Amino acid sequence: SAVISQKPSRDICQRGTSLTIQCQVDSQVTMMFWYRQQPGQSLTLIATANQGSEATYESGFVIDKFPISRPNLTFSTLTVSNMSPEDSSIYLCSIPAENFGYEQYFGPGTRLTVT
Amino acid sequence: GQNIDQPTEMTATEGAIVQINCTYQTSGFNGLFWYQQHAGEAPTFLSYNVLDGLEEKGRFSSFLSRSKGYSYLLLKELQMKDSASYLCAVIDSNYQLIWGAGTKLIIKP
Repeated sequence: SAVISQKPSRDICQRGTSLTIQCQVDSQVTMMFWYRQQPGQSLTLIATANQGSEATYESGFVIDKFPISRPNLTFSTLTVSNMSPEDSSIYLCSIPAENFGYEQYFGPGTRLTVT
Repeated sequence: GQNIDQPTEMTATEGAIVQINCTYQTSGFNGLFWYQQHAGEAPTFLSYNVLDGLEEKGRFSSFLSRSKGYSYLLLKELQMKDSASYLCAVIDSNYQLIWGAGTKLIIKP
């Protein structure tokens, strides 16, 4: 399976600031996913990021709040902009498994606390 | 709307057997996953069911009934390391993954 790393692993941020989360994969992948997991909640897909095109956002998520970059096939960033305490969550990136695209491998997650 | 229901929390004893249920109501069905997530870690794949019946993989088994919109994950010979959250996820007709909130399993010695 692929190795996925995320930076930072955790952060505490002030309300109104922005944080950029990095996701690095050790192999080239076409699709990368960004999820949010709020305390005690299910995983919620924020957007799908394909290299060379605009990210596709799910209902309830907009580019101004969660801009995504996908400069190459091994890397992506998610920015959480103008943060509020409601953005406190774990943010995870994932990729489809090479043998079966609907299975996903997840990065270790970034635990964000907004004060 | 789309809905996946799992118990919020379960407690079991080391060495015992536990069954975690998942019921779903989704727009279409193209498969069901179970993932394990230890506290502070990423979810990891456990099993995949697309046809009715039982899939066995070591101490873990997963069952699916499509007509009932129901699945369960069966864990045998429980070990302390099995303490984790177990997430049920369904692939709907648009091939989107719909996630349940997860069941936190607490193992007691």
